[in-house]
Amino acid sequence: AQSVTQLGSHVSVSEGALVLLRCNYSSSVPPYLFWYVQYPNQGLQLLLKYTTGATLVKGINGFEAEFKKSETSFHLTKPSAHMSDAAEYFCAVSHGATNKLIFGTGTLLAVQP
Amino acid sequence: NAGVTQTPKFRVLKTGQSMTLLCAQDMNHEYMYWYRQDPGMGLRLIHYSVGEGTTAKGEVPDGYNVSRLKKQNFLLGLESAAPSQTSVYFCASSVDREATQYFGPGTRLTVL
Repeated sequence: AQSVTQLGSHVSVSEGALVLLRCNYSSSVPPYLFWYVQYPNQGLQLLLKYTTGATLVKGINGFEAEFKKSETSFHLTKPSAHMSDAAEYFCAVSHGATNKLIFGTGTLLAVQP
Repeated sequence: NAGVTQTPKFRVLKTGQSMTLLCAQDMNHEYMYWYRQDPGMGLRLIHYSVGEGTTAKGEVPDGYNVSRLKKQNFLLGLESAAPSQTSVYFCASSVDREATQYFGPGTRLTVL
């Protein structure tokens, strides 16, 4: 069975600081991995995804994530946080047979001025 | 191109009432999904569809029914609402099984 663990339900950083949101997954087959962002009272928007190929994936708004098979991780990073990055971030895994997404419990990112 | 839309945006029900949530997509996607979002639990899949006329159960299907009579629409029904169904419901669609899922804006449902 597949699962996703997001370490830290709340993360707070200062504006301009590094953002690191952690995601570990469990999957018996090669996974497809996703990061979604949810702004208050809105739906989910795709930040980036990994399917195959290059393990460092770049997404929108300056975010990137690296697929590390040996560590079963897909951590999300951004070099310099901006106030507009404050949102909830969800990591998800899919093995592609039916494209069902299994979500982590989310990490709420706060950006302090 | 509106993407994925959901109606209604908000609804308050009394225990035992029924209702239907409508999801519509104009991207000609084959796959559609219904999720519920609860605090601290992320999103959980209720039902999904891999094409017109087909539906399947997800992670938390009990108390819900779905129908996909037209490719662009995916309906989620609650026959007898319970307080445990108070949640935010999201619909999503994707073009095929390897593609990105696009989400609607959500429906906030409260069952009293």
